[in-house]
Formats: sequence, structure tokens, C-alpha cells
Amino acid sequence: KNQVEQSPQSLIILEGKNCTLQCNYTVSPFSNLRWYKQDTGRGPVSLTIMTFSENTKSNGRYTATLDADTKQSSLHITASQLSDSASYICVVSLRDMRFGAGTRLTVKP
Amino acid sequence: ETGVTQSPTHLIKTRGQQVTLRCSSQSGHNTVSWYQQALGQGPQFIFQYYREEENGRGNFPPRFSGLQFPNYSSELNVNALELDDSALYLCASSLDYSSYNEQFFGPGTRLTVL
Repeated sequence: KNQVEQSPQSLIILEGKNCTLQCNYTVSPFSNLRWYKQDTGRGPVSLTIMTFSENTKSNGRYTATLDADTKQSSLHITASQLSDSASYICVVSLRDMRFGAGTRLTVKP
Repeated sequence: ETGVTQSPTHLIKTRGQQVTLRCSSQSGHNTVSWYQQALGQGPQFIFQYYREEENGRGNFPPRFSGLQFPNYSSELNVNALELDDSALYLCASSLDYSSYNEQFFGPGTRLTVL
């Protein structure tokens, strides 16, 4: 069983709308949690990184939250753009990095 | 761009063959990690090299091996290719092996095994 579960598996939204992606993890303890954006056929690019003691981190239109008690994280995207279409991957790290399977987001005009 | 490059971009091999994939890390980054990403899945950790020594390994058989060179380049070698080895192979470089350091990913090599 994967230690990092993401939902939904895929999501389609209209340009300009907001959305929230979820990440549940069982890795414990952990040192940090990252969200990556991966365009099709490309390597992942870091969006946010939070240590276990942080509960929110923003990067422009991306805001990540972390609840260490419930072992949940979310990535909120505001005012979506067509270029936000990508896979978003949650990664929990201790000594190594445990990747979720990602949420495939499609933003339509 | 992350400053990490990989070659080749795409590769087609047949079952049983051997393949070498290459990665050039950011200058000054002493650590390189390799990942296998199957279609629709997240990357799976293969192994990590720090200062030319293996520094951790995921659940991959010995036919997956690697090398890291002093000039910040590295290789992933896969022997006796199997159909299930078809995937996107990613390398990521970082300053050192601490999990606090950000990993910068290359664009990947798409390997197809027929």
C-alpha cells in the first residue's frame, strides 16, 4: 500500500476557477512535505515545501496546507490558468522521498 | 529550467538488451538520485549517489546499477531489460543527501522496451 495517497486521481476545471487537491499520508515521522508540478513528459518542479511544524505555505496562486495531526495536506490553486494543466504530486520525505501517484489537472477555456 | 539535463530524450530497446542513461547535475551538487516513473504513477526511488558512492537504494533488482563521476555527471545502467522496465527515468540533483535540500529534476528519458 502506497504511503502517500492523492485524490482525486484526475480533475477538470474551467479557466479562472479555484480547485483543491488532497494528499493523505502514513509516513511518520517525516521531515518535510513537498508539492511538485509535473508537465507531461517533463521532470517535476517544486511548488512548495513545508516542514512538519508548518501548516501553510504559499507560492503565488498555489497555497499548500498541512495538518500533521490528521496526516493530510492540500494544495489550493486560485484563479486557474490553462498553463496549470499538469500532474500535481505530493511527496513526503524522511530519509528518502515517498511520492504519491499525482492528480492530473486539466484546465479548460 | 532546473539546470539538470538527461540524455537521450527517448530510447527504444528490445527485451534482454542493456541500456545506459545519462544525467548531468547542477554544478556543485554532490548528490544525484534516480527514479523510475511508470505511466500515470508517481516516481519510484531507484538509488541515490553521494560523492560517487551509493547512498541508498529502493526496491529494485541488482540489474539496475549506477555510477556518479567527479564532473557532476552520472549514469543509470539497466541489464537484461524486461518489458516492465518501460518508463520515464528521472534523475534529480541536490546539494547533499539531506532531505531538506531541494531536488532539481531533469526532463527525463523515456525508455520503451519491446
